Amino acid sequence: GESVGLHLPTLSVQEGDNSIINCAYSNSASDYFIWYKQESGKGPQFIIDIRSNMDKRQGQRVTVLLNKTVKHLSLQIAATQPGDSAVYFCAENTPGANSKLTFGKGITLSVRP
Amino acid sequence: GAVVSQHPSRVICKSGTSVKIECRSLDFQATTMFWYRQFPKKSLMLMATSNEGSKATYEQGVEKDKFLINHASLTLSTLTVTSAHPEDSSFYICSARDSRDGKLFFGSGTQLSVL
Repeated sequence: GESVGLHLPTLSVQEGDNSIINCAYSNSASDYFIWYKQESGKGPQFIIDIRSNMDKRQGQRVTVLLNKTVKHLSLQIAATQPGDSAVYFCAENTPGANSKLTFGKGITLSVRP
Repeated sequence: GAVVSQHPSRVICKSGTSVKIECRSLDFQATTMFWYRQFPKKSLMLMATSNEGSKATYEQGVEKDKFLINHASLTLSTLTVTSAHPEDSSFYICSARDSRDGKLFFGSGTQLSVL
């Protein structure tokens, strides 16, 4: 069936470095993609989103890239800070009357001081 | 930004009892809300889609009689775990879709522990 998956379960980066978190999706009909950050015991926190008619979107210290050709999504975090340590999920929205959000497996970002 | 209030944040109950979790959109209307379940170190699994004024749509494998969903108003959806058992222990998260622009906002989650 269709699925959203992440390539790596964990990512360790040095404080101040840039982080890149990757995600592969398989539903070509998905029209909207979102990156979420989740801290322990809390709900997902919206980071940035991108629609399928775009290939890049920038926020504050974060950039999302979408490559529809290879069904790949990435999140880039500039100048990673200790507060960025969390689990990151990509999610894809399937359009239509029963529109719903499907989450990827999640990747833990650990920032070394 | 938009806020979704989920209550309670943590609940411990005895096996066989029922537990109700509330999800409220505080400053927007949500015709659609979603309920997710999350196991430790795992991703969020969609359980059901809650539609205001109509029956919820359950994902495959989710027992509708076990997880009762009610969406009686545009700002409130409830999930009742009936006759809870230890295997129902999990982190439950709701999200609400803003009717104006379709954006999704998540609650802070409910940690359910069934003894």
